[in-house]
Amino acid sequence: DADVTQTPRNRITKTGKRIMLECSQTKGHDRMYWYRQDPGLGLRLIYYSFDVKDINKGEISDGYSVSRQAQAKFSLSLESAIPNQTALYFCATSAIGLSQETQYFGPGTRLLVL
Amino acid sequence: QKEVEQNSGPLSVPEGAIASLNCTYSDRGSQSFFWYRQYSGKSPELIMFIYSNGDKEDGRFTAQLNKASQYVSLLIRDSQPSDSATYLCAVNKGNDMRFGAGTRLTVKP
Repeated sequence: DADVTQTPRNRITKTGKRIMLECSQTKGHDRMYWYRQDPGLGLRLIYYSFDVKDINKGEISDGYSVSRQAQAKFSLSLESAIPNQTALYFCATSAIGLSQETQYFGPGTRLLVL
Repeated sequence: QKEVEQNSGPLSVPEGAIASLNCTYSDRGSQSFFWYRQYSGKSPELIMFIYSNGDKEDGRFTAQLNKASQYVSLLIRDSQPSDSATYLCAVNKGNDMRFGAGTRLTVKP
């Protein structure tokens, strides 16, 4: 079984709709991250969380919100989707420790906003 | 200027050759440096990381870091067609990880 899972894997939605992307992990890591990937722009950090009570904005948080429901679960919401949020979204985790910054990525969610 | 810059490629090398991938970064306070490999349609996976100036070897891969020049590279020896992928450079300063846009590598049989 995959250590980091994301649901859904693909999603098509319309402008103005609210959607949620979910991430779960069985690695026991404290830190979780949400990124989006766009062609030519690489991965950009949206939000990150170092534990259940800790939420931090990343490079491009506008238009997004997150919830850390448990150590193993971190969800990303688009309150009112717009077409330029069409992208590939990745969840990632990392552990506290010597290799704390090594991030492990989920399989990604491909989102299309019409 | 982007914080992490990579040549987008594509970089094409013949099978068995050495592939050299380069990355420059703008923040001198950056502390750790990573190379990820991403196959088409898949998620990034870590190849190796480096913290100190110099070389770090892991099998066919060697990461090189020069903090004075703000430069990190990845060498792949004896390149194989299975190495064909996009290689992402990532730079971490504290809690903030920044990725380059990636270099697409093609290894031709």
